[in-house]
Amino acid sequence: DGGITQSPKYLFRKEGQNVTLSCEQNLNHDAMYWYRQDPGQGLRLIYYSQIVNDFQKGDIAEGYSVSREKKESFPLTVTSAQKNPTAFYLCASSIGRDSYNEQFFGPGTRLTVL
Amino acid sequence: AQKITQTQPGMFVQEKEAVTLDCTYDTSDPSYGLFWYKQPSSGEMIFLIYQGSYDQQNATEGRYSLNFQKARKSANLVISASQLGDSAMYFCAMREGFTGGGNKLTFGTGTQLKVEL
Repeated sequence: DGGITQSPKYLFRKEGQNVTLSCEQNLNHDAMYWYRQDPGQGLRLIYYSQIVNDFQKGDIAEGYSVSREKKESFPLTVTSAQKNPTAFYLCASSIGRDSYNEQFFGPGTRLTVL
Repeated sequence: AQKITQTQPGMFVQEKEAVTLDCTYDTSDPSYGLFWYKQPSSGEMIFLIYQGSYDQQNATEGRYSLNFQKARKSANLVISASQLGDSAMYFCAMREGFTGGGNKLTFGTGTQLKVEL
């Protein structure tokens, strides 16, 4: 089945530690995205990548880093510089840059900082 | 100013009734797209319907339709014949422009819909 997988589903981290969230897609999509969702709020864009080996900052990139070495994979690292990392993280992908292409989402990773 | 505004934090509807979820947007870009997503309690975002700014007709997808009023900058989602499985959070989102910015979406804060027997 084609889709987007995110792992792990739940993640606990101690303060001061970096942690990497996985996102893999087998939809052959060019573009991939990372969003953060806090309770009572909509999704906010962290980083996005339109093509392999290229990515851009979204609205809330501080304290996060990404890489796009393969088309299928777009891992997100939450660094210790992120002041309030506890949130629900969603990865998405889309065919390309055209506006009519909807984004397909993974199941999400819930990160809790202890 | 908020780019996407959803003023209804929560809505109740009876099974088999229709319900309208409100969404207003703010953009100066003549080319934009509007999306609605459903988020069940499991957390995954499910795409429902899309409306382009140049589309002449309102979008429809099964029981979902989009009431697009361009002059008022509103893109309300109408769900007909509500089902218990429609209980979820619903998000309106906008994509501005066709070039340069990728396919970035700006989301509203969502409306929690509860379908009752």
